[in-house]
Amino acid sequence: QKEVEQDPGPLSVPEGAIVSLNCTYSNSAFQYFMWYRQYSRKGPELLMYTYSSGNKEDGRFTAQVDKSSKYISLFIRDSQPSDSATYLCAVPGGSNYKLTFGKGTLLTVNP
Amino acid sequence: EAGVVQSPRYKIIEKKQPVAFWCNPISGHNTLYWYLQNLGQGPELLIRYENEEAVDDSQLPKDRFSAERLKGVDSTLKIQPAELGDSAVYLCASSPGTAGANVLTFGAGSRLTVL
Repeated sequence: QKEVEQDPGPLSVPEGAIVSLNCTYSNSAFQYFMWYRQYSRKGPELLMYTYSSGNKEDGRFTAQVDKSSKYISLFIRDSQPSDSATYLCAVPGGSNYKLTFGKGTLLTVNP
Repeated sequence: EAGVVQSPRYKIIEKKQPVAFWCNPISGHNTLYWYLQNLGQGPELLIRYENEEAVDDSQLPKDRFSAERLKGVDSTLKIQPAELGDSAVYLCASSPGTAGANVLTFGAGSRLTVL
């Protein structure tokens, strides 16, 4: 079983839509969960992370963790064309100093 | 402050040729990573360094791939000889290596095309 699995998409939405991106993970011992954003031909950049369970909000972005179901989500409100990118979830697979990434979901926000 | 710097950004080579990628991490970051990213996939770890020591290289194909991090700063990843299946983006990342959430900062990547 993979440490993290991500809905691959792709996902295409109109500007202003609410976007939901999701991953599942296998190890109940994981304590933190990250979301990276990757623009075309760029390296991934950290968008936000959550520690343990619950929600974390940063502007239009909300990260949510449900440890009972091993499910992590990223919500984007009022999506903008500039949000068009690949979104990668990541967990500390194997050790605290290693990140294991999902396959990524390609999001396109159409003006 | 400069981020993680990688070069070259793009490289096209014939199969069986050697290729090398260079990475300069963020100043003060003790931990350095090389990840491989195939098209439409997430990054996969190849090797992790703590200072100059390779502490996790279990995913590095050692028959053709090698890496070094002399003096615990810059790092070089080499492929010799390259195969068609090595066409991918090679990402370097660094982190402070502290406890808690380990935030990796990535470079822009080196895109390799093997013909």
